[in-house]
Amino acid sequence: EAGVTQFPSHSVIEKGQTVTLRCDPISGHDNLYWYRRVMGKEIKFLLHFVKESKQDESGMPNNRFLAERTGGTYSTLKVQPAELEDSGVYFCASSPQGGTQYFGPGTRLTVL
Amino acid sequence: SQELEQSPQSLIVQEGKNLTINCTSSKTLYGLYWYKQKYGEGLIFLMMLQKGGEEKSHEKITAKLDEKKQQSSLHITASQPSHAGIYLCGVGNSGYALNFGKGTSLLVTP
Repeated sequence: EAGVTQFPSHSVIEKGQTVTLRCDPISGHDNLYWYRRVMGKEIKFLLHFVKESKQDESGMPNNRFLAERTGGTYSTLKVQPAELEDSGVYFCASSPQGGTQYFGPGTRLTVL
Repeated sequence: SQELEQSPQSLIVQEGKNLTINCTSSKTLYGLYWYKQKYGEGLIFLMMLQKGGEEKSHEKITAKLDEKKQQSSLHITASQPSHAGIYLCGVGNSGYALNFGKGTSLLVTP
């Protein structure tokens, strides 16, 4: 069974540009989560989808971040415009209902 | 929200030695997850502890939940280079979000 996949693995952009991260969850997992780890800090929750609906987006830092999960399959996280403090590793995780969260390899975002 | 403090922050051990990592919670622990992150990779689920006193093992890794101390410990027996990585403890927040500690970085030397 394929695990959670994320694309790209690395992204380097300039401040003010737009970046879109993609996450493909494990097939059949209705729950999809985005987390972020900024250097030196702990991994922080961003938001949670159940199928295509946003269940909890309390961790989204500001309105420059937009997450979507059209059709309840893969999800995208867009940062527009990117700022220096957005640099970090963005993790996606998925889980079945009430189950353990399985994480993807992460996307390392560097904003210059 | 529930905060988790992990100790030590980093650890260097010689191959074959035993080691323990602790995770202390600011609130009562009703359950706790342990994950491992290999450098540059994603988080790998190790185990989940749900009840006070529960102890689980996976290969040479054993974790225990001490509800009274609001603490969990993860013990590795006869460490190997493959054990190297960042060990993270996490708890469920309200809803399904996980709160994580900062992690313990483990390096195993030959």
